[in-house]
Amino acid sequence: IGMTQSPATLFVSPGERATLSCRASQSVSRNLAWYQQKSGQAPRLLIYDASIRATGIPGRFSGSGSGTEFTLTISSLQSEDFALYYCQQYNKWPPLTFGGGTKVEIK
Amino acid sequence: EVQLVESGGGLVQPGGSLRLSCIASGFTFSSYAMTWVRQAPGKGLEWVSAIVRSGESTYYADSVKGRFIISRDNSKNIMYLQLHSLRAEDTAVYYCAKLSQGTMGALGDWGQGTLVTVSS
Repeated sequence: IGMTQSPATLFVSPGERATLSCRASQSVSRNLAWYQQKSGQAPRLLIYDASIRATGIPGRFSGSGSGTEFTLTISSLQSEDFALYYCQQYNKWPPLTFGGGTKVEIK
Repeated sequence: EVQLVESGGGLVQPGGSLRLSCIASGFTFSSYAMTWVRQAPGKGLEWVSAIVRSGESTYYADSVKGRFIISRDNSKNIMYLQLHSLRAEDTAVYYCAKLSQGTMGALGDWGQGTLVTVSS
C-alpha cells in the first residue's frame, strides 16, 4: 500500500493551525498512525488508529480520516512542533509502509 | 519506563556482514512483536523486518529479503538483526521499535538508532 503525504513542506507561523494530509493507495480503514521526528532523534508516535492521541501527546494534535484520506491537524503551532511528520499504515502488512513525510517549517 | 537500546552499527565494506542488537527493558518483552525500521541519510522511514512475540514468524521488506535475518531471545530481552551481503543502499540509521499494545501495527516506542555505513 503506497502512502503519499502532502505538502512536502509546510510553512506556518507560530500560533497558527497546520493541516497535514496523507493519502493511501487503497483503503487502510482507520489503521493509520502519525509520527513526529525532530532532527537527530527517533520518531515519536503522536496518533494511532487515525485519531487516538498516544500517551503524553498534547491536545493540540488531532487526527482524522478513514479509508484513504487522513489529516493531522496541529491547532496552534508551538516552537517545539516544527519538525518532520510521517504517516504509516498498518492495515495490511507486511510491509508496514510510511509516507514520504511533511516538514513543518517556520514562516 | 520502556527503553530500547540499539548497538552494533558501524562501517562495513560492500558485501560484508554486521549484527545489530536491540536490548529491551521496562516492559514484558516476550509479549510484544518487534520491528526494525531504517532511515537513510536525509531520507524517509523504511520498514525493514518484524518478528512475532514467540519468534516463530518473521517478515522482511523485499529490499532485504534473503540478506537480513531477524531473531530474538526472550530470555535475554534482546532482538537481533543480522545483515549480510551489504550494499551501499543499506547505509542508514537502524531503529528497533515496539508495536503498541492494542493496535495492529503502530510503533509506540523506538530506540535511539544505530548507524550502519556501507562503504569501501
